[in-house]
Amino acid sequence: EVQLVESGGGLIQPGGSLRLTCAASGLTVSRSYMAWVRQAPGKGLEWVAVIYKDGDTYSSDSVKGRFTISRDNGRNTLDLQMNSLRAEDTAVYYCAHVSTGWSNDGFDNWGQGTMLTVSS
Amino acid sequence: DIQMTQSPSSLSASVGDRVTITCRASESIGRYINWYQQKPGKAPKLLVSGASRLENGVPSRFSGSGSGTDFTLTISSLQPEDFATYYCQQSYSIFITFGQGTRLDIK
Repeated sequence: EVQLVESGGGLIQPGGSLRLTCAASGLTVSRSYMAWVRQAPGKGLEWVAVIYKDGDTYSSDSVKGRFTISRDNGRNTLDLQMNSLRAEDTAVYYCAHVSTGWSNDGFDNWGQGTMLTVSS
Repeated sequence: DIQMTQSPSSLSASVGDRVTITCRASESIGRYINWYQQKPGKAPKLLVSGASRLENGVPSRFSGSGSGTDFTLTISSLQPEDFATYYCQQSYSIFITFGQGTRLDIK
């Protein structure tokens, strides 16, 4: 059974940095297509960044140059390094996985989310 | 980026009703659209992948259709557990985008 557990959220001041981690079990991160998706309070879902099986990464314009998605094959985790944080980055951050491994399929595995609040 | 426009943004319906949610893509995405259900405080749940492929365990009252730019998610007979927010998502582009969501409330 696939399980995704996010951690690392919290309260941070604008301009600060934080690293989110998604611990995966029941799947091998290094052979997976995975993403970070966020949801601001009371708002819809917003894609943040994605990593392909071959290691290629892409991120949305709203976080490009500030957020970096990566994976730690040894720990079997998906990470999101977030720098230069802004108030508008406040959201629940989910990690998501496609069990077929095919990037055109939907995300059928999700973590429970971790809340990030950016405020002074 | 490909824009996904969902309609309506909210909908009130009764148990037993048939409801249809529409998603329009700003350019052709083939059949690379997925539909999710989200309940308050919970992670999204994948219902339909590839426009019409129902995920394992999803009740058959849910169905998806469409291709190109226009897509629909239909619930044939609403059940109490179906009241939630629904999102479409295109997986055609490497730059993933979601619709803004459709909130389905009890009338």
